[in-house]
Amino acid sequence: ILNVEQSPQSLHVQEGDSTNFTCSFPSSNFYALHWYRWETAKSPEALFVMTLNGDEKKKGRISATLNTKEGYSYLYIKGSQPEDSATYLCACGSGNTGKLIFGQGTTLQVKP
Amino acid sequence: DTEVIQTPKHLVMGMTNKKSLKCEQHMGHRAMYWYKQKAKKPPELMFVYSYEKLSINESVPSRFSPECPNSSLLNLHLHALQPEDSALYLCASSPLPGTSGNQPQHFGDGTRLSIL
Repeated sequence: ILNVEQSPQSLHVQEGDSTNFTCSFPSSNFYALHWYRWETAKSPEALFVMTLNGDEKKKGRISATLNTKEGYSYLYIKGSQPEDSATYLCACGSGNTGKLIFGQGTTLQVKP
Repeated sequence: DTEVIQTPKHLVMGMTNKKSLKCEQHMGHRAMYWYKQKAKKPPELMFVYSYEKLSINESVPSRFSPECPNSSLLNLHLHALQPEDSALYLCASSPLPGTSGNQPQHFGDGTRLSIL
């Protein structure tokens, strides 16, 4: 069974702080790593899909890195803003089926 | 605005009722998904449809019956549900089956289901 783990479970930061979270996954049979942002009462929003070892992707103040050999991905948020408050989910894509195995998520609260 | 539309947003039903959840997308996506999400847990995959055919059933009880009448619509028929089935049900879509693992999924806002 594919096990995806995220840490920390929750995080409280001040506006302007930079922060990062970790997603760990089995390095064998890796296919793809997804990051989603899920704000309360909204739908999960895709941030990144990464497939290659060493991949780095950026979207505004948010960036992500991928290490498939050691089985982890980092998500960074530079200069956190209150609107960044959300749960950040990572998920492993399982082959070509489209099946995603999600981690438990990291809930970020940014205080003004 | 979400591009995957789920109705209803909320549903309360008794254990003997029959109801349906609906999901609609007009992005031309040919893979569609149902997920179940319990409080403080990650979404769990229930079903995957590829080109309107059921490709994955994650051992979901038969009281949940999916249907994909066309490439834009996905239904989840509910019958004789149990209180533990109360959860948020999310629908998602992605462009092309066969390479879906490396394509982002587009989610709806979900249906909050409560079983009395």
